[in-house]
Parts: sequence; structure tokens; C-alpha cells
Amino acid sequence: DTAVSQTPKYLVTQMGNDKSIKCEQNLGHDTMYWYKQDSKKFLKIMFSYNNKELIINETVPNRFSPKSPDKAHLNLHINSLELGDSAVYFCASSQEIAKQETQYFGPGTRLLVL
Amino acid sequence: RKEVEQDPGPFNVPEGATVAFNCTYSNSASQSFFWYRQDCRKEPKLLMSVYSSGNEDGRFTAQLNRASQYISLLIRDSKLSDSATYLCVVNRNFGNEKLTFGTGTRLTIIP
Repeated sequence: DTAVSQTPKYLVTQMGNDKSIKCEQNLGHDTMYWYKQDSKKFLKIMFSYNNKELIINETVPNRFSPKSPDKAHLNLHINSLELGDSAVYFCASSQEIAKQETQYFGPGTRLLVL
Repeated sequence: RKEVEQDPGPFNVPEGATVAFNCTYSNSASQSFFWYRQDCRKEPKLLMSVYSSGNEDGRFTAQLNRASQYISLLIRDSKLSDSATYLCVVNRNFGNEKLTFGTGTRLTIIP
């Protein structure tokens, strides 16, 4: 019955590796997002997709590549991981990309790059 | 200047007290405003939207002052379960909708 789910919940990896985080929502929403929350708890949008189409790309390094195989899934692939990528990554979804839509967040993926 | 600014706290408040948080935003064209709540090591969840006329949901009251670009949240009769970080959120509404989060205000309710 989970609305927005992410895997894995924890990810510890070495610098330079490539890793993926998966996100799925069963709410029937059209729009999905990736956010990064750093060590200072600042939550910042990275990407948003609407019906599998990229809408927002917030000056994220091109080592980060989102992929949306269908509107219920938005995965995040990260190449050549760096120490500064350590953070909590949240996936979210909303019914549509409209101003009053509530966003529902997944539980987060805690990434630690060593 | 940050797009959304909040006092990070922490606010340590005795149970039963009233506490108020403030938030300012820099973009005068922003259209939608929210308060989200984030518990420790959990995801953010919508607490309430903020409307121009002000709105209330039980013990929580949100106010918006467009002229001063200022949003507030008032919690009355605070409970231990209110301990969390409260995030002020603004939507810029320029075609590509984007939520901009403040850094949050940490609240701890003390028994």
C-alpha cells in the first residue's frame, strides 16, 4: 500500500562508482520529481518529469541522468560518484504539474560516498 | 538572498504553549505557498497549504502577507508529537512548476 517507494533505502559506495536509485509511485500521478537533501537539511529539486517527459533540470551535473520508463517510475542513475554526492535523495510525485498540487514524497535513499 | 528564508531554530517550547514560525520569500510573483513537516530521518509531508485569506486546520493556522512577502505558521496548544522540522515552501508558477523549500525550522516540544 506504499504510495511512493524508493530502493535502496541505504547506499554506501566508493568514489568513482556508478549507482542507480529506483522510484515507483502507485498513485496514478502524472508528475514525478527527484530532490536532494544535503547535510544541512536543505532540500533542492533536481529534476521533474511529466508523463515521462523531462520538465525541470535544475543545473544538475550531467553525471546524474534520470530515466522514466513509464509515468509510474522515475529512476536516477549517477555516474562517477563524488564525495559531495553524499546526501538523502527523495523521489516525489504529484497529480499534475500545477500550482496547488500536493507532492507526495518517498522515504528517501541515504547515499554515502566514501 | 535565498529564495525562501526561515529561522532554523531550534525552538524548544513547553507542551501546551503556542509557537509561531515565520518565513519570507524573495520572488514577488510566487503564487502558491505551503507548510510541510519533516520528522527526523523521514520524508517531508504536506501540513497545509497557505491561502491569501489565511486558513486554519485544528490547532494550526497559516497566514500569508503578499505585500511583505511573508508567511507564518501558528501552532496552538502544542503537543509532543508536534516536534519536527517545519518547511516553508513556495511555488514559483512560471510554466515549469517548481517547489522551493526553505531550510526548515526545528521545533522540539518539551514535556
